Formats: sequence, C-alpha cells, structure tokens
Amino acid sequence: AQSVTQLDSQVPVFEEAPVELRCNYSSSVSVYLFWYVQYPNQGLQLLLKYLSGSTLVKGINGFEAEFNKSQTSFHLRKPSVHISDTAEYFCAVTRSNFGNEKLTFGTGTRLTIIP
Amino acid sequence: ETGVTQTPRHLVMGMTNKKSLKCEQHLGHNAMYWYKQSAKKPLELMFVYSLEERVENNSVPSRFSPECPNSSHLFLHLHTLQPEDSALYLCASSPGSYNEQFFGPGTRLTVL
Repeated sequence: AQSVTQLDSQVPVFEEAPVELRCNYSSSVSVYLFWYVQYPNQGLQLLLKYLSGSTLVKGINGFEAEFNKSQTSFHLRKPSVHISDTAEYFCAVTRSNFGNEKLTFGTGTRLTIIP
Repeated sequence: ETGVTQTPRHLVMGMTNKKSLKCEQHLGHNAMYWYKQSAKKPLELMFVYSLEERVENNSVPSRFSPECPNSSHLFLHLHTLQPEDSALYLCASSPGSYNEQFFGPGTRLTVL
C-alpha cells in the first residue's frame, strides 16, 4: 500500500518570499503524484501532477514540484508567494498503470501568507 | 455547466431526517468517488464507483447509502445521522486511463 507524509501541518510565510511544502511518499511500485490546493470553503483543485517524463513539473499559479525517486519526495515550491496563495495543500499518490485506483492523500499543509 | 457540481452546497439536518446529496460530472469520466473531510483529519475515501458499479466501500456506516444510476450522477443518501457525521462531503470523478481526480466544491453538512 502507498502512504504519503506531509511533515509540516502549518507553514507561515511572508508575502513575496519563497516557499517549499514537503511531501514524502512510500510505495513498492511506480507511482503517480499530485498536489491539490483547497481554498477556504471550496473543494480540491489540481495544482500539478507527475505521471512520467521530466522530474520537474510546472503547475498553475506559479507552483512547481520536483519528483525525486531516490528520496521518494515530491516537494512543492513557489519562488514568490502572494496573499491569494493562502490555502491548504494536499499531496497525493496512486499506483501507476492501474485504472481507477484510489488516491492516498497526505494530511495537508496549511499555508498562511503574512502581509 | 462544466466540471463536477454538487448540490446542495450547505445542508443542516436533524438526526432523524432523511436527505440526499447529489453529484454530477460533465467530464465524460467513468469513475466517481465520495470523500468525507472532517476538521483536522485527512480526507477519508468513502465509496468508489467504476462504470456504475461500486468497487470500494471503506467500512462506511450503513446510515450512508450511495447510489450511482449512471456514469454522470452520484448520490449519497443520508438517514439517522450522528453529530459526528458533520463534515464537508466531496465528490470527485476520474477518467479510466490514469488517476487524476477532479473534485466538486463539496456539501457542508451539519447534523444537529
């Protein structure tokens, strides 16, 4: 079975500063990896995904993530955050090449931007 | 209407009421999911439907009853709920080839 660990439950960052949200996963098979964002009182929205190919993945709103197989990590980064980035961020993993497999989510990281 | 829609967005019900949550996807996907999101807990997968057949039921109490009449619609029927069932209920759908899920905005349920 797969598992996901998001080590930081809350991350406060000053506006225009860079941010990294950490995600580590565990799996005995190849995986697909996702980052979702949830704004207050809303559902989850896909930020970016890694399926195959380049290990550096670019997503929406200026976010990017790097797949590191040796470290089993998929950390999310943004070089300069804005107030509008305040939200909860979820990392998720699923086995690759399996149809309709369930996503395993991390417990989330709440990103708070300080003006 | 595009994406995944959920109605109602907010629901308050008593413990003896019967209500239903509705989810509709306009993406042509063949899998649909119900999740429960409670404060300070990770997302809990409740049910999975693939091609209108239930393929997963994660030990959910029988007071929650899902229904998938076709590949575009998913319902969650609720009866005799408990206050601890208060949560955000999220619906999602996905295509069959890989497993990116698209989420609806959720129904905020409060059980009094």
